[in-house]
Amino acid sequence: DTAVSQTPKYLVTQMGNDKSIKCEQNLGHDTMYWYKQDSKKFLKIMFSYNNKELIINETVPNRFSPKSPDKAHLNLHINSLELGDSAVYFCASSQEFSGTGLYNEQFFGPGTRLTVL
Amino acid sequence: LAKTTQPISMDSYEGQEVNITCSHNNIATNDYITWYQQFPSQGPRFIIQGYKTKVTNEVASLFIPADRKSSTLSLPRVSLSDTAVYYCLVVSSNTGKLIFGQGTTLQVKP
Repeated sequence: DTAVSQTPKYLVTQMGNDKSIKCEQNLGHDTMYWYKQDSKKFLKIMFSYNNKELIINETVPNRFSPKSPDKAHLNLHINSLELGDSAVYFCASSQEFSGTGLYNEQFFGPGTRLTVL
Repeated sequence: LAKTTQPISMDSYEGQEVNITCSHNNIATNDYITWYQQFPSQGPRFIIQGYKTKVTNEVASLFIPADRKSSTLSLPRVSLSDTAVYYCLVVSSNTGKLIFGQGTTLQVKP
């Protein structure tokens, strides 16, 4: 069983288009995340949702809009794609969010490689 | 948030023990030290986490001195399949937020 899944795995599109990446987790986790990994392999957090509520938004352009229809899904919609959006996007989930004094590991999906031409 | 510094790359041979050291001079009281592993074309995978002293699991050991300003990930008897990027992170238990650095690319040779 795949714990965190993302679709599509590869996405090639033209500048200016709008695209979505879907993420689903079957771990029963409360918190989900989106990360961007650029060509230099730096992983940066973009968003975090806890129980369908946005809790982290790392100054990402508002062309990026996460949507969480339920606790198991966190989709990423990107409007007006730009060349600089080309990267690998990772979805992740964890069991418990902050405030408990405990940190729980994040489980990452396989990634979606987005190429903007 | 505490910044981490670790070597960009390391080479090793199969069967050797590999130690990757990470510096985190500004670590706060509520921060945990966490290591992730990333294989090519895959998402990062949690390896180990600790607060102080030594933690061991089936994959690795984590050594943290008393001042907690550094930590060492120890991989016993590496194999070719341990070739990956290893990220050292300092995670606040208040936010749970992961800040990834550039990681250490470990190349295991036959």
